[in-house]
Amino acid sequence: SQKIEQNSEALNIQEGKTATLTCNYTNYSPAYLQWYRQDPGRGPVFLLLIRENEKEKRKERLKVTFDTTLKQSLFHITASQPADSATYLCALELASGTYKYIFGTGTRLKVLA
Amino acid sequence: EAGVAQSPRYKIIEKRQSVAFWCNPISGHATLYWYQQILGQGPKLLIQFQNNGVVDDSQLPKDRFSAERLKGVDSTLKIQPAKLEDSAVYLCASSLGGHLFFGPGTRLTVL
Repeated sequence: SQKIEQNSEALNIQEGKTATLTCNYTNYSPAYLQWYRQDPGRGPVFLLLIRENEKEKRKERLKVTFDTTLKQSLFHITASQPADSATYLCALELASGTYKYIFGTGTRLKVLA
Repeated sequence: EAGVAQSPRYKIIEKRQSVAFWCNPISGHATLYWYQQILGQGPKLLIQFQNNGVVDDSQLPKDRFSAERLKGVDSTLKIQPAKLEDSAVYLCASSLGGHLFFGPGTRLTVL
């Protein structure tokens, strides 16, 4: 069956450390993988997109890797801050041009001061 | 640029009642989505529109849920009759292609 899995347990890290979140998928061949941030009571907000032929993408303190062989994406936040505390969702676009996005379960990140 | 608007923000109803949610996407965005997000889970796609046509409604429980997008702009999602398991946040999103812009969601509680 098709699945997108993220760490179901909350991730607690100390301020200043690097947070690493995992997104694993099975039985999908996504064209793109995206990461979103969701704060309580709000809709998700887009952070980064990586294409199937890209290995790594960076934006400020954020870095995303995409390994289509392992069927896994890693999302890193360097020099984490308490303001980074939120739920992070990965999403797959199933095929280029369909604009159909399937979301993972999300991982709650808490950065401790 | 105005974001995706949704109303109401909160709704509490009894089971077997009906409810409707409204969404106004970002101007010019051809693709509109309704997602259901149950507490502790990721958003689940219910229906995807391209302009005013349905692209995908494979996950929409059509015996009780309906959605329309008139004139390719605003959209409404209706549940009739509601069940307890419909308690969730209903998120509307729009896109030009590339990534999604979400509204704040409507939190539905079915008692």
